[in-house]
Amino acid sequence: DSGVTQTPKHLITATGQRVTLRCSPRSGDLSVYWYQQSLDQGLQFLIQYYNGEERAKGNILERFSAQQFPDLHSELNLSSLELGDSALYFCASSAEVRTDLTGELFFGEGSRLTVL
Amino acid sequence: QQQVKQSPQSLIVQKGGISIINCAYENTAFDYFPWYQQFPGKGPALLIAIRPDVSEKKEGRFTISFNKSAKQFSLHIMDSQPGDSATYFCAASMVDKIIFGKGTRLHILP
Repeated sequence: DSGVTQTPKHLITATGQRVTLRCSPRSGDLSVYWYQQSLDQGLQFLIQYYNGEERAKGNILERFSAQQFPDLHSELNLSSLELGDSALYFCASSAEVRTDLTGELFFGEGSRLTVL
Repeated sequence: QQQVKQSPQSLIVQKGGISIINCAYENTAFDYFPWYQQFPGKGPALLIAIRPDVSEKKEGRFTISFNKSAKQFSLHIMDSQPGDSATYFCAASMVDKIIFGKGTRLHILP
């Protein structure tokens, strides 16, 4: 158990809809990362937050947004969903703000999104 | 330049054999190279990592070999076991991001 909790585990929705994925990081971790995992693209970095502030952005679509709340949990909002958004969405947390210090991210078990 | 290229995409090895997964990067700003292991239904977990000032790091049956001049690094799993069957991701890290390879699905035949 990594200590990172993601909900929901599975989500099925229709194109055009909006969903929110939730992540609770490990106790004490200030950094939260969101990744999208698909079969052909591997793990794609979306966005990082550190202590409530956006820290780094990756290949995140404009239809997607995220935030980190004062209690350090994070939410990833996906809107105007398309079939291609079907994927596993992982949240990871780290004690460090910099990823080159230890490089260890603790991943949750993911939220599997299916868009029909 | 932000890419990490990983090969092969899938690998089948006999029990007791050596599994080898290769990765290459281009951006010399990367300065930390972790490998993650992912079992079905689970998130990736850190397996072993290396910094570019070291050419090799060994932890049990797992070894990273690093070639800084070639910008390549590889994971060797000695005496591969069925329990090693998983997806392996190499990654390259800099100050503000970790970039993952596309993964290698490893299957160890009993």
